[in-house]
Amino acid sequence: QVTLRESGPALVKPTQTLTLTCTFSGFSLSTSGMCVSWIRQPPGKALEWLARIDWDDDKYYSTSLKTRLTISKDTSKNQVVLTMTNMDPVDTATYYCARIERSGYYFHYWGQGTLVTVSS
Amino acid sequence: QSALTQPASVSGSPGQSITISCTGTSSDVGDYNYVSWYQHHPGKAPKLMIYDVSKRPSGVSNRFSGSKSGNTASLTISGLQAEDEADYYCSSFTSISTLMFGGGTKLTVL
Repeated sequence: QVTLRESGPALVKPTQTLTLTCTFSGFSLSTSGMCVSWIRQPPGKALEWLARIDWDDDKYYSTSLKTRLTISKDTSKNQVVLTMTNMDPVDTATYYCARIERSGYYFHYWGQGTLVTVSS
Repeated sequence: QSALTQPASVSGSPGQSITISCTGTSSDVGDYNYVSWYQHHPGKAPKLMIYDVSKRPSGVSNRFSGSKSGNTASLTISGLQAEDEADYYCSSFTSISTLMFGGGTKLTVL
């Protein structure tokens, strides 16, 4: 059974760096074809893809946010970490992690999401 | 990169069919058969409904179907039911190996 769970601070201040952790089970990110992505959804707005890390440690970022994002993995802990620098109130959103099937680049399994509010 | 273009809202009566479009470019939807669709009920995790343009994951009703023509993909829901009321998002792989979502479509079952 594949599960993913996001964790991190519920509240961050403007200009701070956000660190989110996706802890997963039911698969290994060392298995060929496995990938994990981060997606966010601001309140009342659409889903927005942020970043992806592949089993071979290839990394890809949203072109509009790439200067602020870093994605990494700890295969031994079954975790993927996303950092986002220089947080702003417009970054207030529910942040999701999801497993991607590299065979088709679709988000097959999702975490429940974690709401991050940016406010002073 | 701009989001894929979806209608903001669609509606239909129970039993009817509706279609949601998802328009991209030749650098994403038009060039790859990596289009997927997600159903999102507020407060819940999005659910995969269609992948690879037209394939249904196990457990998804065959009332949901997908297709693509040129730079536009479509999701059709037949025999509308009240529980289909949700937000729907398309997603596509892109030529620079990123992924992108559409702006989302709110489906109302009248």
